[in-house]
Amino acid sequence: QVTLRESGPALVKPTQTLTLTCTFSGFSLSTSGMCVSWIRQPPGKALEWLALIDWDDDKYYSTSLKTRLTISKDTSKNQVVLTMTNMDPVDTATYYCARIPAGMDAFDIWGQGTMVTVSS
Amino acid sequence: EIVLTQSPATLSLSPGERATLSCRASQSVSSYLAWYQQKPGQAPRLLIYDASNRATGIPARFSGSGSGTDFTLTISSLEPEDFAVYYCQQRSNWPVTFGQGTRLEIK
Repeated sequence: QVTLRESGPALVKPTQTLTLTCTFSGFSLSTSGMCVSWIRQPPGKALEWLALIDWDDDKYYSTSLKTRLTISKDTSKNQVVLTMTNMDPVDTATYYCARIPAGMDAFDIWGQGTMVTVSS
Repeated sequence: EIVLTQSPATLSLSPGERATLSCRASQSVSSYLAWYQQKPGQAPRLLIYDASNRATGIPARFSGSGSGTDFTLTISSLEPEDFAVYYCQQRSNWPVTFGQGTRLEIK
């Protein structure tokens, strides 16, 4: 069974750096074609894609946020980490990690999401 | 960046009716388009990938069509559990983008 679970702080202060961890099971990120991505959703708003890392350690970022984002993986721990610098109240959102399996261009399995509030 | 425009923003229908949701891309995405359903307080669920392939466990009343820039998600006969928000998404070109969503509500 494939599962993903996000973890990280529920509250961060403006200007701080957010670090989120996606811990997954049921697949390996070293399998050719496999990818894990981060997506966020502000309250009441649409989904916004943030970043993706693939099995070959290639990384892709949102155009508008790429200067603030870093995605990395630890294959041995089955984890993908996202850092976002200089947090602002507009970054308040539920943050999801999701998988793209080999041979597909869609997110087939999602974590439950973690709500992050940015406030002083 | 490819912009995905979904219409209508809100669709009001009754159970048993047919729902037709549209997603238009600002440039061709070939068939690399997916549809998701999201209910309140839940993560999105993949319905359709590659424009017309149903994901595992998705009922046959959900179907997708289209290619290039114009895509449609059709729900043939609405069940009470189908009232939710629907998003389209493309990965034809970086960055990945989502549409703004269509809210399907009970009339």
